[in-house]
Amino acid sequence: AQSVTQPDIHITVSEGASLELRCNYSYGATPYLFWYVQSPGQGLQLLLKYFSGDTLVQGIKGFEAEFKRSQSSFNLRKPSVHWSDAAEYFCAVGYNTDKLIFGTGTRLQVFP
Amino acid sequence: DGGITQSPKYLFRKEGQNVTLSCEQNLNHDAMYWYRQDPGQGLRLIYYSQIVNDFQKGDIAEGYSVSREKKESFPLTVTSAQKNPTAFYLCASSPGQGALGANVLTFGAGSRLTVL
Repeated sequence: AQSVTQPDIHITVSEGASLELRCNYSYGATPYLFWYVQSPGQGLQLLLKYFSGDTLVQGIKGFEAEFKRSQSSFNLRKPSVHWSDAAEYFCAVGYNTDKLIFGTGTRLQVFP
Repeated sequence: DGGITQSPKYLFRKEGQNVTLSCEQNLNHDAMYWYRQDPGQGLRLIYYSQIVNDFQKGDIAEGYSVSREKKESFPLTVTSAQKNPTAFYLCASSPGQGALGANVLTFGAGSRLTVL
């Protein structure tokens, strides 16, 4: 069955530190890959997406993600975290259909 | 501005009552979705619709019903048969199969339902 794994439930970093959030998917075929961010009590906002081509994808708010086919991963990175980045982050995959499969999310806490 | 409007933002219901959550989009998207979000479980798909007058069950459709009479509207009814309805409900839309960006979902701000 298709699935998405975000192994880190909760991550805490200091403001200005680098960040990497992990995402792995289970299906063999190359999916469409997404990262979304959710502030408390709000909907989800698209950070970035990968459909094909260059495996390093740039998104909004200074985020980037790298698709690694050999590791079935699509990790999200940011060189320097700001306090406003505190939120919940969701990885999602799609396979030639409209439906997306979401991971369980990683909650990011940022200390000053 | 184009977007998705969900209402109400907060809703309280007594056990045994049906309740309907509204979702309206002005993005001219063909596909619409309802997700349920519970702490630690991510988003789970309830129902989705790829075209007017047609919809499919998602992973957790039991106790829910939907209609898609208009392209811009996709209301969700939480029935009394739903055993644990307290949750955060998110509506989303996408351009639809075959369209550029078919898988890219745009989300509403959500509706929080609490059963008393």
